[in-house]
Amino acid sequence: EVQLLESGGGLVQPGGSLRLSCAPSGFTFSAYAMNWVRQAPGKGLEWVSAIGSHYGPTHYADSVKGRFTISRDNSKNTLYLQMNSLRAEDTATYYCAKDTSGWPSDWGPGTLVTVSS
Amino acid sequence: EIVLTQSPATLSLSPGERATLSCRSNQTFINNVAWYQQRPGQSPRLLIYDTSKRATGIPARFSGSGSGTDFTLTVSSLEPEDFAIYYCQERNTWPRGTFGQGTKVEIK
Repeated sequence: EVQLLESGGGLVQPGGSLRLSCAPSGFTFSAYAMNWVRQAPGKGLEWVSAIGSHYGPTHYADSVKGRFTISRDNSKNTLYLQMNSLRAEDTATYYCAKDTSGWPSDWGPGTLVTVSS
Repeated sequence: EIVLTQSPATLSLSPGERATLSCRSNQTFINNVAWYQQRPGQSPRLLIYDTSKRATGIPARFSGSGSGTDFTLTVSSLEPEDFAIYYCQERNTWPRGTFGQGTKVEIK
């Protein structure tokens, strides 16, 4: 069974940084592209970033380009999202999602990031 | 920029009824869409991908159709667990993908 578990969320001040992690299990992590998708409280879904199976290429939504960095360590079976220069509008639950057949097929429970002073 | 508009915003139906959800693009052509279900307090679940293919474990009462700019998710007979929010997504330029704003299917 595919499982994904995000961690690293929390409260951070505007302009601060946070690193999210995602620990997958139940599949060969190194064989799949991975995504981060976020959802602001009470709002819809927004694709944030993706990374290919072998450490690249990386892709970003315009709203986070230049501030967020996606990476992965296939030897540690972990996906990361480094978030810098955080803004209030980055407040959301962040989901990691496995990419299958070109779509986010399996999602973790999410980790909440709150950007507030 | 591709914008997906889902309608209606809210659909009030009774268990056993048929639900028809629409997803329309402002672009002239969308290759394919996916549909996700999100129950309260849960993460999204992939239901349909490539417009009409059911994801693993998804019941046959869920079906997808459409082409071009208009796509539809149909639930043939609503079960109590189907009352949720549904999102469509396009991925014309993988992996970038725009989501629709969602349709809430609520119990009438």
